[in-house]
Amino acid sequence: DADVTQTPRNRITKTGKRIMLECSQTKGHDRMYWYRQDPGLGLRLIYYSFDVKDINKGEISDGYSVSRQAQAKFSLSLESAIPNQTALYFCATSPGVRGRTGELFFGEGSRLTVL
Amino acid sequence: DQQVKQNSPSLSVQEGRISILNCDYTNSMFDYFLWYKKYPAEGPTFLISISSIKDKNEDGRFTVFLNKSAKHLSLHIVPSQPGDSAVYFCAASGGGSEKLVFGKGTKLTVNP
Repeated sequence: DADVTQTPRNRITKTGKRIMLECSQTKGHDRMYWYRQDPGLGLRLIYYSFDVKDINKGEISDGYSVSRQAQAKFSLSLESAIPNQTALYFCATSPGVRGRTGELFFGEGSRLTVL
Repeated sequence: DQQVKQNSPSLSVQEGRISILNCDYTNSMFDYFLWYKKYPAEGPTFLISISSIKDKNEDGRFTVFLNKSAKHLSLHIVPSQPGDSAVYFCAASGGGSEKLVFGKGTKLTVNP
């Protein structure tokens, strides 16, 4: 079983719908992240959380919200999806070694298409 | 502004030869650098890292070189294998921020 699990893996929705992408991990890491990948743009950070009570915006947080329900669970919501949110979304975790982000462990990705 | 740049979107090499993937950065506060590999339909996986106190780090066929004065790092794969065909992302952190900043990636194709 994967250490970082994302659901759903694929989702097609319509403009204006609310969508939630869920992430759970069994690595025991405190730090969790949501990234977005677009062709030619690499990976961009949406939100990150260093523990259950700590939520921070990344570089492209507009139009997104997150919830850290437990150490092992971090969900990403699109309150009203729009077509330019069509992308591949990755959840990641990190042990946060000596104050550094360190190595990230990624899930397999959730492909979202907004029509 | 793009703080981590991978200027080559793609690279093609022959099996057995050396692959050299390049990465430039603009933020002089970055002091920790990583390379990730991504296969289609999978999440990125960590490959190798280097701290700014070093100029070279080696792990099997993979070596990362860091030139701080030029703000440049490179990943060498020797010898290249078809299974190395993937997208490679360069990432950096530092300057009091614990967030990783990623480049846009370079697609490596190793031909048999």
